[in-house]
Parts: sequence; C-alpha cells; structure tokens
Amino acid sequence: DVKVTQSSRYLVKRTGEKVFLECVQDMDHENMFWYRQDPGLGLRLIYFSYDVKMKEKGDIPEGYSVSREKKERFSLILESASTNQTSMYLCASSHTTGTPSYNEQFFGPGTRLTVL
Amino acid sequence: GDSVTQMEGPVTLSEEAFLTINCTYTATGYPSLFWYVQYPGEGLQLLLKATKADDKGSNKGFEATYRKETTSFHLEKGSVQVSDSAVYFCALTISGGYNKLIFGAGTRLAVHP
Repeated sequence: DVKVTQSSRYLVKRTGEKVFLECVQDMDHENMFWYRQDPGLGLRLIYFSYDVKMKEKGDIPEGYSVSREKKERFSLILESASTNQTSMYLCASSHTTGTPSYNEQFFGPGTRLTVL
Repeated sequence: GDSVTQMEGPVTLSEEAFLTINCTYTATGYPSLFWYVQYPGEGLQLLLKATKADDKGSNKGFEATYRKETTSFHLEKGSVQVSDSAVYFCALTISGGYNKLIFGAGTRLAVHP
C-alpha cells in the first residue's frame, strides 16, 4: 500500500515557538506538497518541492519555510508560531511525469495544529 | 487565474437519495479534474478523476463527467449510504505544472438513515 505519513496527528504549541511538521512518503515521488485546510476555504498550497533541496512558494507561504534534504522527506517549519496558524496541515506527494494518468496526489492523514 | 467553484454545503440527505454536488472550473490550459473525499479524521483520498473532455470518472457508485462546453465536473451518486458522509473536494491540475492541485472549498455531505 502506498503511504504518506505525518509525524503527529495533533499538536499544541505556544505563540512564538518554532514548530516542525514532518512528512514521509514511500512511493519514490518527485513532488511533495504542504497544504493547510480551513473551513470554507478548502485546501491552500503553502509550499511544494519538485526535487531534493528544491522548493517553490505556493499561494500562502508567509510565516512558513520548508526543507527537503532527502527525496522521501519534506518538512514544514513555522519559525515563530502565531494563533492564526492554527489549522489542519496536510502533506501530499505525486510523480512528475507530466502524463495525466500519473498525476494523482496522495495525501497523509493530516496534523491538527493548535497555537495558543 | 485557474479556480474551482463548488456548491456550498452542508448537504443533508436521507439514505438511498440521489446526490449531486456541482463543480465548475476556470482554467487557461487543459486541466485534469478530480474529486477527492475526506472521511472524518482522515486525509484526502482520490475518489475519481477525468483527464480529458467527455471522460467519465467513476468509483464506488460515484460518477462525474468532464464537460468542457460548460466547464463542469459535477459529482453524482444514485443512492447514497450513511458511510458516504464526508467532505468532498473538486480539484483541477494543469499538466506540466508539477501537478499542483487547485481545490474548491469542499462540500460536506451528511447522510441520515
């Protein structure tokens, strides 16, 4: 079974803390993505990576950074957590073949982060 | 820019009722279209997809047809079950753009016995 795992299902942090969210995929996918999910807003792309050490900003990168040192692992970093970053964070991965048949994204279970 | 609009929820149905969730899109290229489902407490799973005009995606009794003339990809099921209660997301991706997905806001479906 293909798998995307995230380090925590629930996380509670305090304002100003540095927060690390980890994501690992076992499908040898080139692309990895971080989204946040908020009610009524759907999923919004924070950052994505198309190769090791490569990253691109998504639609809402402010307040976040990412790291991809190995192909299977993609980390999301909140340098100084704020209450407006309380949300559900979802990681996903996909191939990059460009062939429509292979462009599905596979999602992890999500991390619900609460910043107090 | 590219965008997806889907009907607002929540949608509340009785078991065995017919389901339609509307989805329309705006895209400059030739998108692939997807429906993802999120069951309570879980991540998103691909429900079905269509990669070109007039394709019909189907899975678990759900269907959606890629209509280029109306830029729509409406999700339908003839007889819903309580276990179909979830949030449904319509999404699109443009080939060659690192497969980035653009999502609609999601529609929550609640099915009662």
